[in-house]
Amino acid sequence: EDQVTQSPEALRLQEGESSSLNCSYTVSGLRGLFWYRQDPGKGPEFLFTLYSAGEEKEKERLKATLTKKESFLHITAPKPEDSATYLCAVRVGGSEKLVFGKGTKLTVNP
Amino acid sequence: NAGVTQTPKFQVLKTGQSMTLQCAQDMNHNSMYWYRQDPGMGLRLIYYSASEGTTDKGEVPNGYNVSRLNKREFSLRLESAAPSQTSVYFCASRDLGVPYGYTFGSGTRLTVV
Repeated sequence: EDQVTQSPEALRLQEGESSSLNCSYTVSGLRGLFWYRQDPGKGPEFLFTLYSAGEEKEKERLKATLTKKESFLHITAPKPEDSATYLCAVRVGGSEKLVFGKGTKLTVNP
Repeated sequence: NAGVTQTPKFQVLKTGQSMTLQCAQDMNHNSMYWYRQDPGMGLRLIYYSASEGTTDKGEVPNGYNVSRLNKREFSLRLESAAPSQTSVYFCASRDLGVPYGYTFGSGTRLTVV
């Protein structure tokens, strides 16, 4: 069964304190790994797509990396506005379905 | 602004009542999706439509029906609502063959009492 596990469930950081979120997956035939940001009361907002091991993507203070079994979302010098729930999802071969993890709730204190 | 629009934003139903959740996108995307999001669980796919005129079941289709009215619109119907259908429902769309993510609407918060 295709599974996506995100850790930690919640993370509190001080402004400027860099850290990483983890997304591990067990799927057959990965066709893309997606990172989303979700603010309270809103729909997920697309951040990155990664397709192959070794691939990296960056956007402002965020950097996503991918290995054969997991992905990391690195947050460098976070600001309070980075506070949100970060969701990881995978698309498996031949399927239209995205399998989502439960998310990591990030809080950045000023 | 271009995107995915869902209506209504909030709804309270009594057990056994029916209702239709509406979704429209103005990005000319081929594929549209309905997900539900429950506390402590990841988003789960209910139904999807890979293109106009086609619909397929996702992970949790029981108790729901869908209609792809045209390329823009994809509705989700609850024929006889149950408390287990209390959830936040998200509609999403994407363009086949384009290697970026899905665009989600802002959600419908449904409570069945």
